[in-house]
Amino acid sequence: DTGVSQNPRHKITKRGQNVTFRCDPISEHNRLYWYRQTLGQGPEFLTYFQNEAQLEKSRLLSDRFSAERPKGSFSTLEIQRTEQGDSAMYLCANSLWDSSNTEAFFGQGTRLTVV
Amino acid sequence: SQQGEEDPQALSIQEGENATMNCSYKTSINNLQWYRQNSGRGLVHLILIRSNEREKHSGRLRVTLDTSKKSSSLLITASRAADTASYFCATITMDSSYKLIFGSGTRLLVRP
Repeated sequence: DTGVSQNPRHKITKRGQNVTFRCDPISEHNRLYWYRQTLGQGPEFLTYFQNEAQLEKSRLLSDRFSAERPKGSFSTLEIQRTEQGDSAMYLCANSLWDSSNTEAFFGQGTRLTVV
Repeated sequence: SQQGEEDPQALSIQEGENATMNCSYKTSINNLQWYRQNSGRGLVHLILIRSNEREKHSGRLRVTLDTSKKSSSLLITASRAADTASYFCATITMDSSYKLIFGSGTRLLVRP
């Protein structure tokens, strides 16, 4: 158990529906990442936060994707008007950003299936 | 976008043998990390090597870093069946973003 919790673990949705995932990070870790992973591939960077500030959003990410981290605590990732190509594992990771650049702790992920 | 490319993409060895995986990256880095992922689960951090370090050890793991070639290797000695997993290198990039970017991974199978 890394201390990073993601909910739900699995989500099946119909194409066109909106979905929201939640990540509860380690409380004192100020940096939070979202990644997407498909079978046989490495985690693909989506976006990341330093405290409550969203620092960068991948250019590959369409406007249907949005993420928030209110008050620098938990984070949500919303996908609007889901498409079959959105089916993937969505991973949240958390790290303590300081001069020592420590490792990232990952949640177990949310597996999204769009039918 | 992905920063690194691992080589080989897949590796199958006998228990007790050593496994070597390589990672090449594109842009300057602050540090390089290796992670393991068991099937269908989250990633677990294994080891971190900073850009001013050339070699690091942790248990049965040995990591090297060559910043002039923009490459790293992970050696797992005396492999066990439990080492079967996917292994990913990840870098903290030196551009303005300092974000963690992953490679495509090596799938390791250790046969009992």
